[in-house]
Amino acid sequence: TQLLEQSPQFLSIQEGENLTVYCNSSSVFSSLQWYRQEPGEGPVLLVTVVTGGEVKKLKRLTFQFGDARKDSSLHITAAQPGDTGLYLCAGAGVGFQKLVFGTGTRLLVSP
Amino acid sequence: KAGVTQTPRYLIKTRGQQVTLSCSPISGHRSVSWYQQTPGQGLQFLFEYFSETQRNKGNFPGRFSGRQFSNSRSEMNVSTLELGDSALYLCASSRTGGEDVLTFGAGSRLTVL
Repeated sequence: TQLLEQSPQFLSIQEGENLTVYCNSSSVFSSLQWYRQEPGEGPVLLVTVVTGGEVKKLKRLTFQFGDARKDSSLHITAAQPGDTGLYLCAGAGVGFQKLVFGTGTRLLVSP
Repeated sequence: KAGVTQTPRYLIKTRGQQVTLSCSPISGHRSVSWYQQTPGQGLQFLFEYFSETQRNKGNFPGRFSGRQFSNSRSEMNVSTLELGDSALYLCASSRTGGEDVLTFGAGSRLTVL
């Protein structure tokens, strides 16, 4: 059983569309990180959210941490082919001693 | 500053052989974590080393082992390779480890035939 479930698992969209990726858990996390992994590379940190209800924007990407700190979402506006990759959320929480990674969402944006 | 360097990037082995992968962390980072990534299982935690000591271990058989040197460089070894060990092995470093933000290397892609 995965502590962090992401949905959808796969997403294939056209350039210009909007999308939202969800990261859900029954556990409370002290903070949540989002990474993007491009083909042939390791994951790269996009953002860290630490406060329940927090919203962070990174250009066309908007990250939100749930009020109860059990879930998070990533919204991409006007997706571009450069957004293609595997999106991973990772939670940090009391007693975990390490980051817990989500199941991943693979995004393909076609021109 | 230089990123996390993993070598080799690609390797092919046969069943029963063993393999050693190397990871050089970012300067000043004392923690090195190893992950196995496969299409079916996602990112699975192998182990974490901090100041030459294994601090945390995932749920992998004893065939998977690692070590860290005094300069923080780390190696992981897989003995008696099985077909199911084919995967991308990712190394990540951080200053303090644990739940700290990770900087990943590009990975070592292992194919077992």
